[in-house]
Amino acid sequence: SAVISQKPSRDICQRGTSLTIQCQVDSQVTMMFWYRQQPGQSLTLIATANQGSEATYESGFVIDKFPISRPNLTFSTLTVSNMSPEDSSIYLCSVEGGGGTEAFFGQGTRLTVV
Amino acid sequence: ELKVEQNPLFLSMQEGKNYTIYCNYSTTSDRLYWYRQDPGKSLESLFVLLSNGAVKQEGRLMASLDTKARLSTLHITAAVHDLSATYFCAVDKGNTGKLIFGQGTTLQVKP
Repeated sequence: SAVISQKPSRDICQRGTSLTIQCQVDSQVTMMFWYRQQPGQSLTLIATANQGSEATYESGFVIDKFPISRPNLTFSTLTVSNMSPEDSSIYLCSVEGGGGTEAFFGQGTRLTVV
Repeated sequence: ELKVEQNPLFLSMQEGKNYTIYCNYSTTSDRLYWYRQDPGKSLESLFVLLSNGAVKQEGRLMASLDTKARLSTLHITAAVHDLSATYFCAVDKGNTGKLIFGQGTTLQVKP
């Protein structure tokens, strides 16, 4: 199984500012995924991050709002830019494992925008 | 567009009772996942179902997959309070690793 560390675990931010969330995996993985869970809701995929190429965003999410970096096979960052209270959510990174038959999640970053 | 629907969305049950959570999805997929989420926590992987007819059991939970009906079930046997949590099913979109989640089922087990 993959061990995923996310930082920070939680933060309270002022509107209009940006927060960068880090995701570190204990093994090399091809793809990393970023999800958002709004309060009381399910998880929605934001984007897929591959090393060496630009992230692929799902419908409703754009690079200007959620820029992603993937500098190597064990690390990725998600930035939430120009935040508003509507961005208050849990953000989770995920990786595949077990030859593509498992999906592991980090502990999540709980973001509150005031 | 792949859609995943769970029902019920909320389930309140007495300890010792049995119940089933249903997960329907709209397009073909070979991978279905069940997760548990406790309040304020991340996701805990419960089951991965990879083929038609797959059945997996862990303690009081049993999950099955019918790919022809595009249906998975999570059966709870003799519920205990510790099973109180939100349960999500998720389907792999075209075996890409991208997961589409159901709405979640919040289970409350009363003593």
